[in-house]
Amino acid sequence: SYELTQPPSVSVSPGQTASITCSTDKLGDKYVCWYQQRPGQSPLLVIYQDSKRPSGIPDRFSGSNSGNTATLTITGTQTIDEADYYCQAWDNSLGVFGGGTKLTVL
Amino acid sequence: QVQLQESGPGLVKPSQTLSLTCTVSGVSITIGDDFWSWIRQPPGKGLEWIGYIYSSGRTYYNPSLKSRVSISVDASKNQFSLNLSSVSVADTAVYFCVRARECRGGSCFVDFWGRGTLVTVSS
Repeated sequence: SYELTQPPSVSVSPGQTASITCSTDKLGDKYVCWYQQRPGQSPLLVIYQDSKRPSGIPDRFSGSNSGNTATLTITGTQTIDEADYYCQAWDNSLGVFGGGTKLTVL
Repeated sequence: QVQLQESGPGLVKPSQTLSLTCTVSGVSITIGDDFWSWIRQPPGKGLEWIGYIYSSGRTYYNPSLKSRVSISVDASKNQFSLNLSSVSVADTAVYFCVRARECRGGSCFVDFWGRGTLVTVSS
């Protein structure tokens, strides 16, 4: 089955840049999107089609996808960015999620 | 503004059928090319796409759940529903109904989520 691999956790200091990766073979051949999920809330789309930001998402969020790895980058990370982040791709007519990465800002 | 709201029992006994309904407002679910989907998240774990309905009734289900899942639509109420049969403790999760866009082109993403409803499977 298709699997997307994310690191379980990433830590970053406020104001620094956080990078969260999502990997599988030839992931660059597919579109990837990213969701932010704060505790007790529904996921929120922050990046779609590899690098596009929905309306209302701050420009400190950016995305890229090439080769086997997609990356979500948060520039100038703020404490409010502390959350779980999930990547998602479309494979064989179904959405597949990565296992999620807990971003800690401290 | 598109809004989705899940409803249904919060507790289901093992071997019984889990039934949830999603009421959609702000858009007609029978118009357009969107995939109206169910996604679940076991407590403390990740997300799993259960399946979806589109084009006024066509469905697709996660192969791992296919034998137990059905999704249907009630156009008159602008609702779609999930039935999951023969449930076990492993089906305990928060269930989200969502709108997914641009799936036919392979760039599928979820732009609107319901708040989610916790369904516990327990005797």
